[in-house]
Amino acid sequence: KQEVTQIPAALSVPEGENLVLNCSFTDSAIYNLQWFRQDPGKGLTSLLLIQSSQREQTSGRLNASLDKSSGRSTLYIAASQPGDSATYLCAVRSGANSKLTFGKGITLSVRP
Amino acid sequence: GAGVSQSPRYKVAKRGQDVALRCDPISGHVSLFWYQQALGQGPEFLTYFQNEAQLDKSGLPSDRFFAERPEGSVSTLKIQRTQQEDSAVYLCASSLGEQYTQYFGPGTRLTVL
Repeated sequence: KQEVTQIPAALSVPEGENLVLNCSFTDSAIYNLQWFRQDPGKGLTSLLLIQSSQREQTSGRLNASLDKSSGRSTLYIAASQPGDSATYLCAVRSGANSKLTFGKGITLSVRP
Repeated sequence: GAGVSQSPRYKVAKRGQDVALRCDPISGHVSLFWYQQALGQGPEFLTYFQNEAQLDKSGLPSDRFFAERPEGSVSTLKIQRTQQEDSAVYLCASSLGEQYTQYFGPGTRLTVL
């Protein structure tokens, strides 16, 4: 059974800092990995999708990398801003199943 | 363009009541997913449709939970005889197909008293 872990559960940084959010998964046989953002009381917004054959994806200040063999992904946020404050969730799609298995998320607070 | 919509946004039910939660996916999306998100947790998979076919219902926690998508577009998640442990946010997501990005709706927050 696929398990996804995100540590730490919460992170607080000053504005302008570059930061890395980590995600690990137990079964390396994945189809793709997706990073989401969730604001309080809201649904999930997809940030980046990395297919299993890819090593990284970039969108603006965000860069996500994937190391399938070691079961790890990182989300890099450059020059963090207070508007980046949210919960960031990592999810993997495993095998032939279409369902996503999520981590518990990392709640990020960027201090002005 | 319109995203995934869900209704109602909030639902309060007394223990034992039946509830129905609606999901309107993005037009043209063949795949539709339901997830349950407890407070402070990541979403947990409930069930998956491809068009009108329910291909995976392995995540439904009990036979009190039932989902349908009769015409391959709108989906309804029904919970019978609600219990307090059913209190959660129920998220719906849709995608063009299995390998594509899943787009999530705002969720329905269910509170069972």
